[in-house]
Amino acid sequence: RKEVEQDPGPFNVPEGATVAFNCTYSNSASQSFFWYRQDCRKEPKLLMSVYSSGNEDGRFTAQLNRASQYISLLIRDSKLSDSATYLCVIPNTGNQFYFGTGTSLTVIP
Amino acid sequence: DTGVSQDPRHKITKRGQNVTFRCDPISEHNRLYWYRQTLGQGPEFLTYFQNEAQLEKSRLLSDRFSAERPKGSFSTLEIQRTEQGDSAMYLCASSFMSRLQETQYFGPGTRLLVL
Repeated sequence: RKEVEQDPGPFNVPEGATVAFNCTYSNSASQSFFWYRQDCRKEPKLLMSVYSSGNEDGRFTAQLNRASQYISLLIRDSKLSDSATYLCVIPNTGNQFYFGTGTSLTVIP
Repeated sequence: DTGVSQDPRHKITKRGQNVTFRCDPISEHNRLYWYRQTLGQGPEFLTYFQNEAQLEKSRLLSDRFSAERPKGSFSTLEIQRTEQGDSAMYLCASSFMSRLQETQYFGPGTRLLVL
């Protein structure tokens, strides 16, 4: 089983829609979780950190379900500028950071 | 700009040549990571440093790859005898490790094409 698994999508949603991505992880000892955003041919940029049950920042909400070992990212009121690839990242206990393959989102006018 | 910088941004080389990339982390960050990313995949961990010590290397890192961080500041990643399969984006990230948390910040990457 891979350390981190994401649905690659693509997700194509209209402006204003709510969209959610999930990311499952295999290491039950993981303590911190991250969502990064990556635009085409650019570097990943930190979107949100998740250290407990969840985190909210404006239109973005990240939630953690330790029992089922997944994290989710919810985007409300999608904007055209939200179009990007969203990567979930989970460090292991040995300081390696495992990235998912990314979920591609396109917001359509 | 006080972010992570990488040089060069693009490199085209012929198979069999050696290449070296440089990463300058955020100045107060004590950890520095190297990743490789190919199209449609997330970044794959290669190696990381805490200050000048290289603490972990991925099994992906063949003996043609070597990384250094001699003074605990900038780092170099060298690929010897490049192969076409080495073509990828090479990303550097830095972080400050505290007791509570660690967040990585990425540089713009070096895009390598091996012909």
